[in-house]
Amino acid sequence: GESVGLHLPTLSVQEGDNSIINCAYSNSASDYFIWYKQESGKGPQFIIDIRSNMDKRQGQRVTVLLNKTVKHLSLQIAATQPGDSAVYFCAERAWSGYSTLTFGKGTMLLVSP
Amino acid sequence: GAVVSQHPSRVICKSGTSVKIECRSLDFQATTMFWYRQFPKQSLMLMATSNEGSKATYEQGVEKDKFLINHASLTLSTLTVTSAHPEDSSFYICSAPQRVNSGNTIYFGEGSWLTVV
Repeated sequence: GESVGLHLPTLSVQEGDNSIINCAYSNSASDYFIWYKQESGKGPQFIIDIRSNMDKRQGQRVTVLLNKTVKHLSLQIAATQPGDSAVYFCAERAWSGYSTLTFGKGTMLLVSP
Repeated sequence: GAVVSQHPSRVICKSGTSVKIECRSLDFQATTMFWYRQFPKQSLMLMATSNEGSKATYEQGVEKDKFLINHASLTLSTLTVTSAHPEDSSFYICSAPQRVNSGNTIYFGEGSWLTVV
């Protein structure tokens, strides 16, 4: 399972491969999910989002899949590039009127040329 | 370009002093903003919700007298770390929801590195 604290789970892939990053969430009341990319020393960058009434959403080179039955979220990146190397966080929101997000622990993606 | 701006991006202060970090929404109004703290190789932890025109809402375990939040206008929230100690050294990030047709999209600032020496 994932470690807490100093060591992020790491996914290492070769340039051109497809990458799949997984996330488990715990709150069945969450209705909105977002994937963020965070490069070293920078703030999180929005990648793609999905609402709980959907199970799949596609963007440019990215696809998010949502399985509410097992509370699982995944981010698929097609034709991974070295510039995709970063830490990826999933975030969930249980609607409270204030858009409060709960972040997952994060996965580091390392892309080798 | 950035839709949420933070300043400063890096700051070094001496123990016992106070430091202010600003979070601005660009080209949109944000009645609510959020402040997070992030330690190296860890996830973002919500510290508080900043509300324009009212008091901030702090998460459990966050000292409101140490981390002062002021939502001065619909585009500006500030976080002041008072009587800073070395253990306050961290990456502080703000976010603001921007209302779009289908709901809210939540944008983050670039973060502010605080080092207390």
